[in-house]
Amino acid sequence: AQSVSQHNHHVILSEAASLELGCNYSYGGTVNLFWYVQYPGQHLQLLLKYFSGDPLVKGIKGFEAEFIKSKFSFNLRKPSVQWSDTAEYFCAVSFSGGYNKLIFGAGTRLAVHP
Amino acid sequence: KAGVTQTPRYLIKTRGQQVTLSCSPISGHRSVSWYQQTPGQGLQFLFEYFSETQRNKGNFPGRFSGRQFSNSRSEMNVSTLELGDSALYLCASSEGQGAGQPQHFGDGTRLSIL
Repeated sequence: AQSVSQHNHHVILSEAASLELGCNYSYGGTVNLFWYVQYPGQHLQLLLKYFSGDPLVKGIKGFEAEFIKSKFSFNLRKPSVQWSDTAEYFCAVSFSGGYNKLIFGAGTRLAVHP
Repeated sequence: KAGVTQTPRYLIKTRGQQVTLSCSPISGHRSVSWYQQTPGQGLQFLFEYFSETQRNKGNFPGRFSGRQFSNSRSEMNVSTLELGDSALYLCASSEGQGAGQPQHFGDGTRLSIL
């Protein structure tokens, strides 16, 4: 069965620290990859997406992610986090033939301390 | 453009009852997907509708059903409610017919079963 795993459930960082959140999926075919963020009290918002082309994609608020096909990974990075990045981050994948069905990872709660 | 609108925001029901949740997508969006979010299971896909047709269905019992109207608004229905149906139900809409479209999420309906 298709699945998505996020390695860290809780991450605590200080402001200005670098962030990397891991995401791996299990599926050998064509995929579309997404990172969504849920700020406290807000709805899920799209951070960035990968469909094809350059495997390094840039999103909003200074986030980027790299698709490594050989590792089935799509890790999220940010060089320097801010307190306002405190949120829950979800990796999601849609698979060929699945239309818009998204398979989500369990999410990573990020807390950034000033 | 107004975002995805879900009504009601909160709902309290008792076991055995049925419930209908409503979702109005972003204007022009023809695809509507539904997800269930719980602390234990995370975000799980329920079903997707495009132009009034169900394109995909998740692994939920037949008590969960949905439909889409000609104006793209969608409803989901849960019959014979169980305690385990307590969750945040999220609706997401996207523009096109193709797979893997970025989805825009609403704030959700929080359903509590007593």
